[in-house]
Amino acid sequence: DVKVTQSSRYLVKRTGEKVFLECVQDMDHENMFWYRQDPGLGLRLIYFSYDVKMKEKGDIPEGYSVSREKKERFSLILESASTNQTSMYLCASGRGRSNEQFFGPGTRLTVL
Amino acid sequence: DQQVKQNSPSLSVQEGRISILNCDYTNSMFDYFLWYKKYPAEGPTFLISISSIKDKNEDGRFTVFLNKSAKHLSLHIVPSQPGDSAVYFCAASEDNQGGKLIFGQGTELSVKP
Repeated sequence: DVKVTQSSRYLVKRTGEKVFLECVQDMDHENMFWYRQDPGLGLRLIYFSYDVKMKEKGDIPEGYSVSREKKERFSLILESASTNQTSMYLCASGRGRSNEQFFGPGTRLTVL
Repeated sequence: DQQVKQNSPSLSVQEGRISILNCDYTNSMFDYFLWYKKYPAEGPTFLISISSIKDKNEDGRFTVFLNKSAKHLSLHIVPSQPGDSAVYFCAASEDNQGGKLIFGQGTELSVKP
């Protein structure tokens, strides 16, 4: 059974803190993605990666960075959290040029 | 600029009847479309997809229709069941983007017993 796991389901942080969101997949997928989901806006792509050490900006990369040191792990970093980064964060993985993506359960981040 | 739009934030349907969820897109380079279903506190799960070379794809109770000239797709659920109550997202891809998807805003479907 395919699995994408995210390190936390709920997270509360203070403005200015550095935040790490971790995502691990066990399907040996090449591609990994980070989205945020906000009411009325759907899922918006923050960053994605096609291979280890590689990263590409999505549609809303400002205020975020990512790290992919191993194939199975893709981390999203908020260098200095702000209240407008309060959101549901979803990680996904996919194989090669396949369009189907498999999602983790999400992390609901609240920045106070 | 929203390239994929789901203009109905919510839809309520009686159990046993048909649910029709709509999606419009603006980018004529999109050639692969997917529908995802999302329950609260869970990640989206893949439901059904369609390539631009087809105009219909069916999987059990779920059928997706694609009208390329109108840049419109729809998801039909027949018959609707209470367990279908969820948020449905349509997504689109340009084939050469290696799996990068553009999502719509989502439509919350409520199926009443």
